[in-house]
Amino acid sequence: SQTIHQWPATLVQPVGSPLSLECTVEGTSNPNLYWYRQAAGRGLQLLFYSVGIGQISSEVPQNLSASRPQDRQFILSSKKLLLSDSGFYLCAWSLNSNQPQHFGDGTRLSIL
Amino acid sequence: QKEVEQDPGPLSVPEGAIVSLNCTYSNSAFQYFMWYRQYSRKGPELLMYTYSSGNKEDGRFTAQVDKSSKYISLFIRDSQPSDSATYLCAMSASGNTPLVFGKGTRLSVIA
Repeated sequence: SQTIHQWPATLVQPVGSPLSLECTVEGTSNPNLYWYRQAAGRGLQLLFYSVGIGQISSEVPQNLSASRPQDRQFILSSKKLLLSDSGFYLCAWSLNSNQPQHFGDGTRLSIL
Repeated sequence: QKEVEQDPGPLSVPEGAIVSLNCTYSNSAFQYFMWYRQYSRKGPELLMYTYSSGNKEDGRFTAQVDKSSKYISLFIRDSQPSDSATYLCAMSASGNTPLVFGKGTRLSVIA
């Protein structure tokens, strides 16, 4: 069966520091991968998605970037965090765009 | 008009009640419909997945899709305190289009 791992679970970072969140999927090949941010009262905001290694689509202009160095690895990064980057970040995978997405347990990021 | 509308609640019901959760949407191209349950501080968990119109039942959960009205529903029978969570609807059109999520309805089932 497929599993998704996302870490760390919580992270506290100072403004201006870099960020790297990692997500890996096991038990499937060439999944679609997604990064979301979830803010209270605003629902799930799709940040990036990838249909293959090195293929990244950005949904919103951000202080963030994403990379997919391996088939089942998806990384969310920032060179310099802003206060507005605080939130709950979720990684997800799916077999293709029409199939349901399956989520990790998220990273709660607080910027001080 | 937002693409997907979902009443945020909160919705509070007694244990054993039948719960009805709903979403409306504006894009007639949507064909794939999902319901997720999200507990506090956890990622969303897939509950139901349906294609096009009709009903689907899984245990205490029933999903309904009415494409003519652009309306989807999730019914929970014999609700339990463990059903207390936020429920999100999601949908997509065919092709390589990402899912569109509702903002979620917060449900509390009181023992």
